Amino acid sequence: DSGVTQTPKHLITATGQRVTLRCSPRSGDLSVYWYQQSLDQGLQFLIQYYNGEERAKGNILERFSAQQFPDLHSELNLSSLELGDSALYFCASSVDGGREYFGPGTRLTVT
Amino acid sequence: EDQVTQSPEALRLQEGESSSLNCSYTVSGLRGLFWYRQDPGKGPEFLFTLYSAGEEKEKERLKATLTKKESFLHITAPKPEDSATYLCAVQTGGYNKLIFGAGTRLAVHP
Repeated sequence: DSGVTQTPKHLITATGQRVTLRCSPRSGDLSVYWYQQSLDQGLQFLIQYYNGEERAKGNILERFSAQQFPDLHSELNLSSLELGDSALYFCASSVDGGREYFGPGTRLTVT
Repeated sequence: EDQVTQSPEALRLQEGESSSLNCSYTVSGLRGLFWYRQDPGKGPEFLFTLYSAGEEKEKERLKATLTKKESFLHITAPKPEDSATYLCAVQTGGYNKLIFGAGTRLAVHP
């Protein structure tokens, strides 16, 4: 158990809809990272937050957004969903860079 | 641009057949190199961190080594339970986030 929690575990929704994925980092970790992993694909970095502020952006679509709240939990919002957005979404946390602790992931299926 | 390349993409071994996975990197200022293991449908699980050329770390049947341009993950006498995807990542300057390679899918058959 990494100490990082993600909810929900599974999500099935229709095209065009909007969903919110939630992540609680390990106690004491200030950085939160979001990754997307499609079938048989590597980890694609989406975005990083540090202590409530956006710190780095990867290949995140404009339809996706994220935020980190004062209690350090983070949410990833995916809107106008397309079939190609079906993937595993991982959250990871770290104190401030370096070793990242990964959550169990949320499996999103868009039908 | 910082880049991490892992080879081979996939590797099939017989139980007991030792081999090595490669991670080559091109980064401006390496601060650390990380190895993770990922089982299907699960989050990556941390294995090792290496910080300087010449450093080695061991855990059970796995040994990670680091040079100035690449890292190797040596698997000695693997077992079927070692089957997984092995991910390499580098930490560079700036905001310290990790840059991941595409991974090597390892299958160990009895």
